[in-house]
Amino acid sequence: DTGVSQDPRHKITKRGQNVTFRCDPISEHNRLYWYRQTLGQGPEFLTYFQNEAQLEKSRLLSDRFSAERPKGSFSTLEIQRTEQGDSAMYLCASSLASYSSYNEQFFGPGTRLTVL
Amino acid sequence: GESVGLHLPTLSVQEGDNSIINCAYSNSASDYFIWYKQESGKGPQFIIDIRSNMDKRQGQRVTVLLNKTVKHLSLQIAATQPGDSAVYFCAEISYNTNAGKSTFGDGTTLTVKP
Repeated sequence: DTGVSQDPRHKITKRGQNVTFRCDPISEHNRLYWYRQTLGQGPEFLTYFQNEAQLEKSRLLSDRFSAERPKGSFSTLEIQRTEQGDSAMYLCASSLASYSSYNEQFFGPGTRLTVL
Repeated sequence: GESVGLHLPTLSVQEGDNSIINCAYSNSASDYFIWYKQESGKGPQFIIDIRSNMDKRQGQRVTVLLNKTVKHLSLQIAATQPGDSAVYFCAEISYNTNAGKSTFGDGTTLTVKP
């Protein structure tokens, strides 16, 4: 399967613990996005990378959240000192960036986080 | 700020009927509009997009209509099938941010009755 993959698919943690999620984009895609989706809502943008550079962060991304894409391939999203309000589906998407036209974003299956 | 929203959170149709899902948006500077389908336990899946300088685009069994005058977008699904049951989101992209990120609405749950 050459689509976007995410790991783990499900994570249950206790409040205050740190968690890390991984996203592997489609191999030739240089742009990678993280979104958060709560039940019944549409995905909300968190941050995106162009190659290894993190170019934009949403105000939703508090200082407990950090994302990296060290080699311009896979990305990790870490949440420190998790809170119950962090419970959500975390979605990763990738695309082939173009500054003059839109290119389709391909989404992974998401990581479902439950904070107890 | 920009917002994208759908008129109805749920829609139930009979198999074989046509479905129409609506969306209103506020950002007149949007460059593209996209419809996504999301099945339970999966990420959003691209269905069809339309550039802001168009008013209609057709795909396989789907048609998207864009009315920029009233900032309204719709997705029409012809001959709806049980496999079309899912949550449908509209989203917009504005290139003034040069990010290509999507701003999503809240979704309409389509249920197809056999």
